[in-house]
Amino acid sequence: KQEVTQIPAALSVPEGENLVLNCSFTDSAIYNLQWFRQDPGKGLTSLLLIQSSQREQTSGRLNASLDKSSGRSTLYIAASQPGDSATYLCAPRSNDYKLSFGAGTTVTVRA
Amino acid sequence: GAVVSQHPSWVICKSGTSVKIECRSLDFQATTMFWYRQFPKQSLMLMATSNEGSKATYEQGVEKDKFLINHASLTLSTLTVTSAHPEDSSFYICSATSGGAVRYNEQFFGPGTRLTVL
Repeated sequence: KQEVTQIPAALSVPEGENLVLNCSFTDSAIYNLQWFRQDPGKGLTSLLLIQSSQREQTSGRLNASLDKSSGRSTLYIAASQPGDSATYLCAPRSNDYKLSFGAGTTVTVRA
Repeated sequence: GAVVSQHPSWVICKSGTSVKIECRSLDFQATTMFWYRQFPKQSLMLMATSNEGSKATYEQGVEKDKFLINHASLTLSTLTVTSAHPEDSSFYICSATSGGAVRYNEQFFGPGTRLTVL
């Protein structure tokens, strides 16, 4: 059973600082990994999808890396803004085709 | 990205009644849909997976007779919570993916439905 751990559980930074969110997973036999954002009381918004053959994926201020063999992914958010405040979830897709979710990292960006 | 909608966004019902939640993919054909539930301050728990025209596959511990899932078309899946009780109160989120190779495709999520059973 895939276990996903996200560190830190919470993060508070001043506006403009870069964010580093870490995700580790126990089963490295994955097809891909998605990063999501969840605002309070809302559904999930897909941020990035990295296939298992890729090392990195970028979208605007977001950059995600994947080290499949060591079971790690990192999400970098450059020049954070108050609108980036949310919970960020990583979800690897295992060979049973299902996404497994970590508990998330709750980010607060202070103006 | 692709859009998934849910209806209703919130519902309050009395204990013993049944509640139906709809999930629609608005701009793509969803060959596979997933239903999750999320308790406060916790992550998402997969309840079941459904493919269009087929019976849903339920996760261990999820009662199939209590949580009825119908994936009748490529754009619509429904979750019916039968004889709801207060312990069924939760946030239910559907998700969808398109294409034949589910394992490679991006998965898109709906906005969720807050169910409160009195």
